[in-house]
Amino acid sequence: NAGVTQTPKFRVLKTGQSMTLLCAQDMNHEYMYWYRQDPGMGLRLIHYSVGEGTTAKGEVPDGYNVSRLKKQNFLLGLESAAPSQTSVYFCASSFDRNTGELFFGEGSRLTVL
Amino acid sequence: GEDVEQSLFLSVREGDSSVINCTYTDSSSTYLYWYKQEPGAGLQLLTYIFSNMDMKQDQRLTVLLNKKDKHLSLRIADTQTGDSAIYFCAESRGGGYNKLIFGAGTRLAVHP
Repeated sequence: NAGVTQTPKFRVLKTGQSMTLLCAQDMNHEYMYWYRQDPGMGLRLIHYSVGEGTTAKGEVPDGYNVSRLKKQNFLLGLESAAPSQTSVYFCASSFDRNTGELFFGEGSRLTVL
Repeated sequence: GEDVEQSLFLSVREGDSSVINCTYTDSSSTYLYWYKQEPGAGLQLLTYIFSNMDMKQDQRLTVLLNKKDKHLSLRIADTQTGDSAIYFCAESRGGGYNKLIFGAGTRLAVHP
């Protein structure tokens, strides 16, 4: 099993460009999440989804959009990238909402110049 | 500021015990977690403790929970170089999804 797969793993953007990060999971999980990880800070939740066709805002949603058209995929979009969005992005999924066991992808490092 | 606080760095000698500490804020948290992040990888769940427990032991890992002080610790016995990683404490806030609040992570460096 691949688990949670993120693409791309690295990307450099110029300010104002747009891009989409793709997350795919093969565990049939209902819940999916996008986090960002910045130095000296814990992971912060950007957006999450509790099932196919649903999305909701997390702690730091501004500047990002998401879509969950298929259960196994969760896309994170940046419409107009800013240097403040330079970060490592992690996708995660979970079977349910109670156990707290999240399965993480390997991360996508994004640099915005 | 951080809702979950951890020291950022810990250095230990191979074979010694490591103790990583964490303080959290929400006394209603049902579960508390320790995640491990190895270089270049995502986080993996290492262990967790239910809020009505004081201690949980799993092979070389011991988790201690002091609810009164909202203090959580992770002890790794006989620390090995393979234990070098970043360890994240997290508390669950409940709600309609797995709302985990993560600390900033403690980088554990194991030296010979």
